[in-house]
Amino acid sequence: DTGVSQDPRHKITKRGQNVTFRCDPISEHNRLYWYRQTLGQGPEFLTYFQNEAQLEKSRLLSDRFSAERPKGSFSTLEIQRTEQGDSAMYLCASSSGQTTARDTQYFGPGTRLTVL
Amino acid sequence: SQQGEEDPQALSIQEGENATMNCSYKTSINNLQWYRQNSGRGLVHLILIRSNEREKHSGRLRVTLDTSKKSSSLLITASRAADTASYFCAFDWLAIQGAQKLVFGQGTRLTINP
Repeated sequence: DTGVSQDPRHKITKRGQNVTFRCDPISEHNRLYWYRQTLGQGPEFLTYFQNEAQLEKSRLLSDRFSAERPKGSFSTLEIQRTEQGDSAMYLCASSSGQTTARDTQYFGPGTRLTVL
Repeated sequence: SQQGEEDPQALSIQEGENATMNCSYKTSINNLQWYRQNSGRGLVHLILIRSNEREKHSGRLRVTLDTSKKSSSLLITASRAADTASYFCAFDWLAIQGAQKLVFGQGTRLTINP
Protein backbone atom coordinates (compact mmCIF):
# COMPACT_ATOMS: atom_id res chain seq x y z
CA ASP A 1 0.00 0.00 0.00
CA THR A 2 1.52 3.31 -1.03
CA GLY A 3 -0.95 5.64 0.63
CA VAL A 4 -0.47 7.87 3.66
CA SER A 5 -0.09 5.83 6.85
CA GLN A 6 -0.50 6.90 10.44
CA ASP A 7 0.44 5.23 13.68
CA PRO A 8 -1.12 4.49 16.06
CA ARG A 9 -4.70 4.34 14.82
CA HIS A 10 -6.06 4.74 18.33
CA LYS A 11 -4.55 6.19 21.48
CA ILE A 12 -6.11 6.40 24.91
CA THR A 13 -4.20 8.38 27.50
CA LYS A 14 -4.70 10.03 30.84
CA ARG A 15 -4.81 13.76 31.21
CA GLY A 16 -1.36 15.21 31.70
CA GLN A 17 0.47 12.52 29.74
CA ASN A 18 2.47 13.16 26.58
CA VAL A 19 1.58 11.45 23.31
CA THR A 20 3.32 11.23 19.95
CA PHE A 21 1.81 10.34 16.60
CA ARG A 22 3.62 9.38 13.43
CA CYS A 23 2.71 10.03 9.80
CA ASP A 24 4.36 8.47 6.76
CA PRO A 25 3.39 10.37 3.61
CA ILE A 26 3.12 9.02 0.10
CA SER A 27 6.62 8.37 -1.18
CA GLU A 28 8.22 11.43 -2.81
CA HIS A 29 5.47 13.79 -1.65
CA ASN A 30 7.29 16.82 -0.35
CA ARG A 31 4.30 18.52 1.29
CA LEU A 32 2.87 17.19 4.54
CA TYR A 33 -0.04 18.55 6.56
CA TRP A 34 -1.60 17.87 9.96
CA TYR A 35 -5.29 18.47 10.66
CA ARG A 36 -7.52 17.91 13.68
CA GLN A 37 -11.12 16.80 13.48
CA THR A 38 -13.59 16.77 16.33
CA LEU A 39 -16.87 14.87 16.27
CA GLY A 40 -19.37 16.21 13.79
CA GLN A 41 -17.00 18.84 12.39
CA GLY A 42 -14.80 19.15 9.36
CA PRO A 43 -11.02 18.90 9.74
CA GLU A 44 -9.14 21.99 10.89
CA PHE A 45 -5.64 22.82 9.71
CA LEU A 46 -2.85 22.56 12.27
CA THR A 47 0.46 22.81 10.43
CA TYR A 48 2.23 22.30 7.11
CA PHE A 49 5.70 21.16 6.00
CA GLN A 50 7.45 21.71 2.72
CA ASN A 51 10.16 19.06 2.87
CA GLU A 52 11.64 19.45 6.37
CA ALA A 53 10.64 23.09 6.79
CA GLN A 54 7.56 23.88 8.88
CA LEU A 55 6.10 26.78 6.92
CA GLU A 56 2.82 27.50 8.65
CA LYS A 57 1.22 26.86 12.00
CA SER A 58 -2.37 27.42 13.03
CA ARG A 59 -3.34 29.32 16.16
CA LEU A 60 -4.88 25.99 17.21
CA LEU A 61 -1.37 24.67 17.69
CA SER A 62 -0.67 25.75 21.25
CA ASP A 63 2.73 25.59 22.93
CA ARG A 64 1.90 22.06 24.04
CA PHE A 65 1.91 20.88 20.44
CA SER A 66 5.04 20.33 18.41
CA ALA A 67 5.50 18.82 14.98
CA GLU A 68 8.65 17.76 13.21
CA ARG A 69 9.68 16.36 9.88
CA PRO A 70 13.41 15.90 10.41
CA LYS A 71 14.44 14.36 7.11
CA GLY A 72 11.62 15.57 4.95
CA SER A 73 9.98 12.15 4.96
CA PHE A 74 7.89 11.02 7.95
CA SER A 75 6.53 13.46 10.49
CA THR A 76 5.69 13.32 14.18
CA LEU A 77 3.14 15.31 16.14
CA GLU A 78 3.66 15.48 19.88
CA ILE A 79 1.17 16.74 22.42
CA GLN A 80 2.53 17.45 25.88
CA ARG A 81 0.46 17.54 29.06
CA THR A 82 -2.65 16.37 27.26
CA GLU A 83 -6.02 17.85 28.16
CA GLN A 84 -9.49 16.41 27.62
CA GLY A 85 -10.07 19.04 24.96
CA ASP A 86 -7.31 17.44 22.90
CA SER A 87 -9.52 14.42 22.25
CA ALA A 88 -10.02 14.32 18.50
CA MET A 89 -9.03 12.58 15.30
CA TYR A 90 -5.61 13.75 14.10
CA LEU A 91 -5.29 13.50 10.34
CA CYS A 92 -2.18 13.66 8.24
CA ALA A 93 -2.15 14.44 4.53
CA SER A 94 0.48 14.76 1.85
CA SER A 95 0.69 16.23 -1.61
CA SER A 96 3.29 16.07 -4.34
CA GLY A 97 4.03 19.76 -4.61
CA GLN A 98 5.44 19.17 -8.10
CA THR A 99 4.07 22.47 -9.35
CA THR A 100 3.58 25.84 -7.79
CA ALA A 101 -0.17 25.37 -8.07
CA ARG A 102 -2.17 23.96 -5.16
CA ASP A 103 -2.54 20.26 -5.59
CA THR A 104 -4.50 17.33 -4.26
CA GLN A 105 -3.98 16.40 -0.63
CA TYR A 106 -4.25 12.68 0.17
CA PHE A 107 -5.23 11.81 3.72
CA GLY A 108 -4.21 9.01 6.00
CA PRO A 109 -6.65 7.01 8.16
CA GLY A 110 -6.08 9.23 11.17
CA THR A 111 -5.14 8.69 14.80
CA ARG A 112 -8.05 8.88 17.20
CA LEU A 113 -6.94 10.32 20.54
CA THR A 114 -9.03 9.94 23.69
CA VAL A 115 -7.87 11.80 26.78
CA LEU A 116 -9.45 10.52 29.99
CA SER B 1 -14.47 33.53 9.03
CA GLN B 2 -13.11 31.72 6.00
CA GLN B 3 -14.88 28.48 6.80
CA GLY B 4 -16.96 26.84 4.13
CA GLU B 5 -20.60 26.14 4.72
CA GLU B 6 -22.39 23.06 3.46
CA ASP B 7 -26.01 22.47 2.82
CA PRO B 8 -27.86 20.37 3.76
CA GLN B 9 -26.24 19.14 6.95
CA ALA B 10 -27.95 15.79 6.49
CA LEU B 11 -29.59 14.12 3.50
CA SER B 12 -31.45 10.82 3.36
CA ILE B 13 -32.55 9.38 0.01
CA GLN B 14 -33.53 6.07 -1.55
CA GLU B 15 -31.02 3.95 -3.42
CA GLY B 16 -30.98 4.88 -7.08
CA GLU B 17 -31.92 8.51 -6.53
CA ASN B 18 -29.56 11.41 -7.12
CA ALA B 19 -27.99 13.32 -4.24
CA THR B 20 -26.97 16.96 -4.41
CA MET B 21 -24.85 18.73 -1.83
CA ASN B 22 -23.91 22.39 -1.85
CA CYS B 23 -20.95 24.31 -0.51
CA SER B 24 -20.44 28.04 -0.16
CA TYR B 25 -17.37 30.06 0.78
CA LYS B 26 -16.49 33.67 1.40
CA THR B 27 -13.06 34.39 -0.08
CA SER B 28 -11.45 34.02 -3.49
CA ILE B 29 -10.09 30.52 -3.93
CA ASN B 30 -7.53 28.60 -5.97
CA ASN B 31 -9.14 25.19 -5.94
CA LEU B 32 -12.11 23.48 -4.39
CA GLN B 33 -12.00 19.82 -3.52
CA TRP B 34 -14.59 17.31 -2.39
CA TYR B 35 -13.83 14.51 0.04
CA ARG B 36 -15.78 11.55 1.39
CA GLN B 37 -15.42 10.19 4.90
CA ASN B 38 -16.90 6.97 6.14
CA SER B 39 -17.70 6.90 9.82
CA GLY B 40 -14.54 7.09 11.93
CA ARG B 41 -12.24 6.80 8.94
CA GLY B 42 -9.88 9.08 7.03
CA LEU B 43 -10.90 11.24 4.10
CA VAL B 44 -10.97 9.96 0.55
CA HIS B 45 -10.35 12.49 -2.18
CA LEU B 46 -13.13 12.56 -4.77
CA ILE B 47 -12.50 15.43 -7.13
CA LEU B 48 -10.63 18.74 -7.44
CA ILE B 49 -11.96 21.63 -9.47
CA ARG B 50 -9.83 24.67 -10.16
CA SER B 51 -11.11 28.22 -9.94
CA ASN B 52 -11.04 28.61 -13.73
CA GLU B 53 -13.17 25.51 -14.27
CA ARG B 54 -16.95 25.42 -14.14
CA GLU B 55 -17.79 21.74 -14.19
CA LYS B 56 -16.03 18.45 -13.76
CA HIS B 57 -17.12 14.82 -13.95
CA SER B 58 -15.74 11.64 -12.45
CA GLY B 59 -17.81 8.51 -12.86
CA ARG B 60 -21.13 9.11 -11.09
CA LEU B 61 -19.89 12.39 -9.64
CA ARG B 62 -20.48 15.82 -11.11
CA VAL B 63 -19.05 18.94 -9.51
CA THR B 64 -19.87 22.49 -10.48
CA LEU B 65 -18.19 25.69 -9.38
CA ASP B 66 -19.64 29.19 -9.60
CA THR B 67 -17.00 31.66 -8.50
CA SER B 68 -19.35 34.62 -8.93
CA LYS B 69 -21.68 33.12 -6.33
CA LYS B 70 -18.81 31.56 -4.36
CA SER B 71 -20.51 28.20 -4.38
CA SER B 72 -20.02 24.63 -5.52
CA SER B 73 -22.24 21.59 -5.76
CA LEU B 74 -21.58 17.87 -5.75
CA LEU B 75 -24.05 15.62 -7.54
CA ILE B 76 -23.97 11.86 -7.04
CA THR B 77 -26.12 10.09 -9.60
CA ALA B 78 -27.75 6.67 -9.22
CA SER B 79 -26.83 6.49 -5.53
CA ARG B 80 -25.79 3.22 -3.89
CA ALA B 81 -25.78 2.06 -0.30
CA ALA B 82 -21.98 2.28 -0.36
CA ASP B 83 -22.27 6.04 -0.95
CA THR B 84 -23.47 6.45 2.65
CA ALA B 85 -20.85 8.72 4.21
CA SER B 86 -20.09 12.32 5.12
CA TYR B 87 -19.08 14.57 2.28
CA PHE B 88 -16.87 17.62 2.77
CA CYS B 89 -15.94 20.45 0.51
CA ALA B 90 -12.52 21.97 1.08
CA PHE B 91 -10.83 24.96 -0.47
CA ASP B 92 -7.58 26.85 -0.29
CA TRP B 93 -7.84 30.55 -0.79
CA LEU B 94 -5.70 33.02 -2.59
CA ALA B 95 -3.15 34.47 -0.22
CA ILE B 96 0.03 36.47 -0.38
CA GLN B 97 2.14 33.68 1.04
CA GLY B 98 1.74 30.06 -0.03
CA ALA B 99 -1.18 29.10 2.19
CA GLN B 100 -1.43 25.41 1.53
CA LYS B 101 -4.01 24.70 4.19
CA LEU B 102 -7.41 23.44 3.24
CA VAL B 103 -10.47 24.95 4.86
CA PHE B 104 -13.27 22.44 5.28
CA GLY B 105 -16.98 22.83 5.59
CA GLN B 106 -18.87 21.02 8.33
CA GLY B 107 -19.94 18.32 5.92
CA THR B 108 -23.14 16.76 4.66
CA ARG B 109 -24.11 13.44 6.19
CA LEU B 110 -25.58 11.36 3.33
CA THR B 111 -27.62 8.25 4.05
CA ILE B 112 -28.71 5.97 1.23
CA ASN B 113 -31.65 3.80 2.16
CA PRO B 114 -31.96 0.42 0.42
